[in-house]
Amino acid sequence: DIQMTQSPSSLSASVGDRVTLTCRASDSISNYINWYQHRPGTAPKLLIYAASNLQSGVPSRFSGSGSGTDFTLTISSLQPEDFATYYCQQSYDTPITFGQGTRLEIK
Amino acid sequence: HERLVESGGGLVKPGGSLRLSCATSGFPFGDYYMSWLRQAPGKGLEWLSHIGTFDTPIYYADSVKGRFTISRDDASNSVYLQMNSLRAEDTALYYCARTVMWQYGSGWYADSWGQGTQVTVSS
Repeated sequence: DIQMTQSPSSLSASVGDRVTLTCRASDSISNYINWYQHRPGTAPKLLIYAASNLQSGVPSRFSGSGSGTDFTLTISSLQPEDFATYYCQQSYDTPITFGQGTRLEIK
Repeated sequence: HERLVESGGGLVKPGGSLRLSCATSGFPFGDYYMSWLRQAPGKGLEWLSHIGTFDTPIYYADSVKGRFTISRDDASNSVYLQMNSLRAEDTALYYCARTVMWQYGSGWYADSWGQGTQVTVSS
């Protein structure tokens, strides 16, 4: 099984900050990675698919990059609504697996 | 705008069964894969199962294989998850999601989700 490891597990930041979240796959997954945002009490939301493609309707301050085993999700200027937990998910092979999440908190 | 609404969750004893339903609207249901995912208390997301168009292919995570069955009804734009032999570790919020496969045989992502239905397995 492909393990997805996210770092950091949690992060404190301020509105306006630029933040970068990282996801590492235990084996090469090419660009088969997706990123989701999950705020408590709401449905998870797809942000990025296939490593770098911005989902329709998602603000352009979100961007994804990487290939192979190392991937990043960057938020260029944090907004209050961005404080949430972020998950990466690999879709290269089954079982389809998620990272454990990065919790982004307000400093 | 797409809408997905899960129902059928509840409290069930270990070894019991539940059938989850997901009613959808706002998109051509028959053109999409559909998936079930869950989040256990204090845990991350887990992709449980998906079903392709015309009922194929079907995927199950090892954690539910042989106990859960996914199905779909294109006439009513609905997807179902029959859950048997439930265990305490199946306690979670269960989500259905519209799913896209951007590369044949891989590349699945969930691009629209419901709000979830709670399943609690306890004696």
